[in-house]
Amino acid sequence: GDSVTQMEGPVTLSEEAFLTINCTYTATGYPSLFWYVQYPGEGLQLLLKATKADDKGSNKGFEATYRKETTSFHLEKGSVQVSDSAVYFCALGNQGGKLIFGQGTELSVKP
Amino acid sequence: DAGVIQSPRHEVTEMGQEVTLRCKPISGHDYLFWYRQTMMRGLELLIYFNNNVPIDDSGMPEDRFSAKMPNASFSTLKIQPSEPRDSAVYFCASSWGPSRSTDTQYFGPGTRLTVL
Repeated sequence: GDSVTQMEGPVTLSEEAFLTINCTYTATGYPSLFWYVQYPGEGLQLLLKATKADDKGSNKGFEATYRKETTSFHLEKGSVQVSDSAVYFCALGNQGGKLIFGQGTELSVKP
Repeated sequence: DAGVIQSPRHEVTEMGQEVTLRCKPISGHDYLFWYRQTMMRGLELLIYFNNNVPIDDSGMPEDRFSAKMPNASFSTLKIQPSEPRDSAVYFCASSWGPSRSTDTQYFGPGTRLTVL
């Protein structure tokens, strides 16, 4: 079945460091790919998405490119801030209309 | 605009009691989803509705769980009887849905359930 695998956390970085969170997927067909972010005590919010191969999603300095050949959708940010501390979820949207989530990666950014 | 509204935000109950969680989706959204989040199992889809009709309830853990959507602006998730292993954060989400695989799901703030 469809699945998403993320790098394990927690990830701890200093402010202004470069961030990469790896995400790979297994799916039949051509899923859409998403990154959601969950701040402490809140629900998930869409961060960015890409709906077809080679699409790049971007928002708030974060970027991810849909790589069909490597079945990946890695999240990157050039310079993280303390306010980026949160849990990040990679997800795929399959043809059945479901979102399949990865296990989440906790990011902690220190000043 | 109001987002997805869930109530209560926190619920503490004793084993064996009935628990009802409530959700009001974003107006105009055709799809409504119920998820459960735990440390052990992560985010799990329990059930989802399209135009108030349950489409897929394969994620509902057992018969103690039931969900209804009597109209486009209200849904409930009921656990009867509750057990300590049901302790989790339950999220409701809604989406517009003309293209189900690509549409963004908007999540509510969640209900943190503790069953003693």
